[in-house]
Amino acid sequence: EEQLVESGGSVVQPGGSLRLSCAASGFTFADYSMHWVRQAPGKGLEWVSLIGWDGGNIYYADSVKGRFTISRDNTKNSLFLQMNSLKTEDTALYYCVKDRSPMMVVADYGMDVWGQGTTVTVSS
Amino acid sequence: QSALTQPASVSGSPGQSITISCTGTSSDIGTYKFVSWYQQHPGKAPKLIIYEVSKRPSGVSNRFSGSKSGNTASLTISGLQTEDEADYYCCSFAGYSTPRVFGRGTTLTVL
Repeated sequence: EEQLVESGGSVVQPGGSLRLSCAASGFTFADYSMHWVRQAPGKGLEWVSLIGWDGGNIYYADSVKGRFTISRDNTKNSLFLQMNSLKTEDTALYYCVKDRSPMMVVADYGMDVWGQGTTVTVSS
Repeated sequence: QSALTQPASVSGSPGQSITISCTGTSSDIGTYKFVSWYQQHPGKAPKLIIYEVSKRPSGVSNRFSGSKSGNTASLTISGLQTEDEADYYCCSFAGYSTPRVFGRGTTLTVL
């Protein structure tokens, strides 16, 4: 069974940093682009970042550009999101998400596996 | 890149059909055949139900169908069932600077 398990969410003060992790299993992690998608409490989904299957193509939403860094370790089947200069508006449930098609980078062929999310709360 | 526009809510009775619209621009839906739809039940992670405008993943009911015309994509659910009550989000490829943009979401109520 394809599975994604996020961790690292916590309560942090504005201006602080946090590193999220996502452990993948049940599929060949190195073949798929991966995303972070977040959902603020009671709000809709917001795409945050994408990293290509080989780590060579990286994209960010304007709202996090310059503050967040996505990375992956294909030897450990893991995805990461380093979040710096956190703002109250970054408070959300952060989902780790897998692309449906292997070896695709940017075009949207669907995101077919979602973790259960990890909660980030930015508050003083 | 602004969020795609969806109605906040739609409703229907069991057995009926409903359509949820998703309006973008010529920079996203209007140009690319990369629109996907997600279903999210309360407290659960989203689930992919449509990709590439009109394709269904294995295991998704054929009561769900998708289409696109101009800058607007649509999700149609036929033969409404109580378990279809959920939030629905569209998502589009929006170019190489913003690979994904979601709609604001639509809450479906099955009366």
